[in-house]
Amino acid sequence: SAVISQKPSRDICQRGTSLTIQCQVDSQVTMMFWYRQQPGQSLTLIATANQGSEATYESGFVIDKFPISRPNLTFSTLTVSNMSPEDSSIYLCSVEVVSDEQYFGPGTRLTVT
Amino acid sequence: EDQVTQSPEALRLQEGESSSLNCSYTVSGLRGLFWYRQDPGKGPEFLFTLYSAGEEKEKERLKATLTKKESFLHITAPKPEDSATYLCAVQGQGTDKLIFGTGTRLQVFP
Repeated sequence: SAVISQKPSRDICQRGTSLTIQCQVDSQVTMMFWYRQQPGQSLTLIATANQGSEATYESGFVIDKFPISRPNLTFSTLTVSNMSPEDSSIYLCSVEVVSDEQYFGPGTRLTVT
Repeated sequence: EDQVTQSPEALRLQEGESSSLNCSYTVSGLRGLFWYRQDPGKGPEFLFTLYSAGEEKEKERLKATLTKKESFLHITAPKPEDSATYLCAVQGQGTDKLIFGTGTRLQVFP
């Protein structure tokens, strides 16, 4: 397994602003992912954070709205840009430590007012 | 389109009352089926990966089974600490993406 931390754990933001969420892992991992969990809905993959190259985004998610950085094998950031109330959600990073086993961070609870 | 449906949405059990949670899936080539446990305010906790029909895995009071169309999470003699939301996810061949169901919220009463 892996120890994954996220900062901040929660935040309340005003519409139109941006928030950057950090994800730190205690070991080097190849695969890092960002998910969104909206109230009452299932987890949805936003993008795969690739080290040394641009992130790979899923359908419905774009880089201008959710820019991602992956400067090394233990760290990634997700920015939620120009926020609206519809962006209120829990944002989770996950890592694949062992093949076919993804482990999740504690999540960042975002409320946009 | 790959899809996961979990039932029931919510389940209330008396302590010691065994039951099963269902996960039905459609995927174009199954790479793996995953079960997670999620406590309120926390990220999902990995439980099991199943790869092929007929496979079973156990962990304490939990046993996961897999067929070509669905998976079951059997909970034997549950305790109040088993109360959580249980999530099922599938991963198709050639992708690392997990597709999640909406979960079953389990409450176990003493």
